[in-house]
Amino acid sequence: EVQLVESGGGLVQPGGSLRLSCAASGFTVSSNYMSWVRQAPGKGLEWVSVIYSGGSTYYADSVKGRFTISRDNSKNTLYLQMNSLRAEDTAVYYCAREYSSSWDNWFDPWGQGTLVTVSS
Amino acid sequence: SSELTQDPAVSVALGQTVRITCQGDSLRSYYASWYQQKPGQAPVLVIYGKNNRPSGIPDRFSGSSSGNTASLTITGAQAEDEADYYCNSRDSSGNHLRVFGGGTKLTVL
Repeated sequence: EVQLVESGGGLVQPGGSLRLSCAASGFTVSSNYMSWVRQAPGKGLEWVSVIYSGGSTYYADSVKGRFTISRDNSKNTLYLQMNSLRAEDTAVYYCAREYSSSWDNWFDPWGQGTLVTVSS
Repeated sequence: SSELTQDPAVSVALGQTVRITCQGDSLRSYYASWYQQKPGQAPVLVIYGKNNRPSGIPDRFSGSSSGNTASLTITGAQAEDEADYYCNSRDSSGNHLRVFGGGTKLTVL
């Protein structure tokens, strides 16, 4: 069964750091595009970052320079290192496998999400 | 970067047909994908590509595209279709970014 399980969320003070993990089963993380998507309380979905199978990484302007996406092939796990956290980073963070071609992209499956709360 | 615009809320009578739209310049170059999200749950892919449904998604869900507008149509809406729906596409600026629409809350009356 293809599955993603996030962990690592919690309460952190503004300016602090947190690392999220996304453990995959049923497929190989390094052979796929993998993305992080977040959802602030009561708000819509916001794409955060993607790592390509070749290793290239890209970020939304709102997190560029503060967040780093990576993966550990031996653990088949995706990560999101979040530094200099702000109140506006408070959200449920989802990881998702992404399919992408020259004319479309889609996310499937999604993990269950992990809540990050940035507050003093 | 690109933006995708959705109506915040749409309602449909039980058993009737409803169309949820998504507008944006990126849709002139890329197909949209669509996601259903129910309260407290993760999003679920319902439509991708030109008009493809993942396994397990009922055939009452369909997708279409014209110009800068993508549409998700539910033919014969059921009570369990009440949810938030989001569109997504690649950003058309060539910067490898992705973008989501603001979401549409579908109410089945």
